[in-house]
Amino acid sequence: KAGVTQTPRYLIKTRGQQVTLSCSPISGHRSVSWYQQTPGQGLQFLFEYFSETQRNKGNFPGRFSGRQFSNSRSEMNVSTLELGDSALYLCASSSSLGAFFGQGTRLTVV
Amino acid sequence: KQEVTQIPAALSVPEGENLVLNCSFTDSAIYNLQWFRQDPGKGLTSLLLIQSSQREQTSGRLNASLDKSSGRSTLYIAASQPGDSATYLCAVNGDYKLSFGAGTTVTVRA
Repeated sequence: KAGVTQTPRYLIKTRGQQVTLSCSPISGHRSVSWYQQTPGQGLQFLFEYFSETQRNKGNFPGRFSGRQFSNSRSEMNVSTLELGDSALYLCASSSSLGAFFGQGTRLTVV
Repeated sequence: KQEVTQIPAALSVPEGENLVLNCSFTDSAIYNLQWFRQDPGKGLTSLLLIQSSQREQTSGRLNASLDKSSGRSTLYIAASQPGDSATYLCAVNGDYKLSFGAGTTVTVRA
């Protein structure tokens, strides 16, 4: 089985721009969640989707949004980028066997 | 709010020594607990998953225990090798999200 695929792997954006990150979960997994990892804050939960419904959302500003499609693929969008949004964004797909992570998207905001 | 703590923050041992990594959490209403490994700049690799009804899980040189009532889990790595050098993360699953500890960075000296 293919693992979790995140695209792109690296992104450099300018302050004020917006960005969309993509995640393709493991085949058969209907739950997809997103996390932000920074050296100062560690891993922080952004949101979780199951069958296109958001079941939980972390404590992030409204600039951070996400969605899930009928094929379970998910996207997250960050609008009006700030320098502090520079981070590794990780996507996980989950089943009863646990959560499995992609390699992440490294976002740098300059 | 679930708080997850990992002790110690860093550990350096000679090759061959056994490793003991600790994780504690504040809310015992969990679905499961998962241990991950992260190499620098990479995503998370799942090591072991312990369901809330289980006390222990083993895979090769790795053994993890769970005491849900006291909010503790321990990861044991037997006969450490330089390739075990990485950051180890404990994650508690509840309310459709993973709550992570800050991790234990392990260095195994050859």
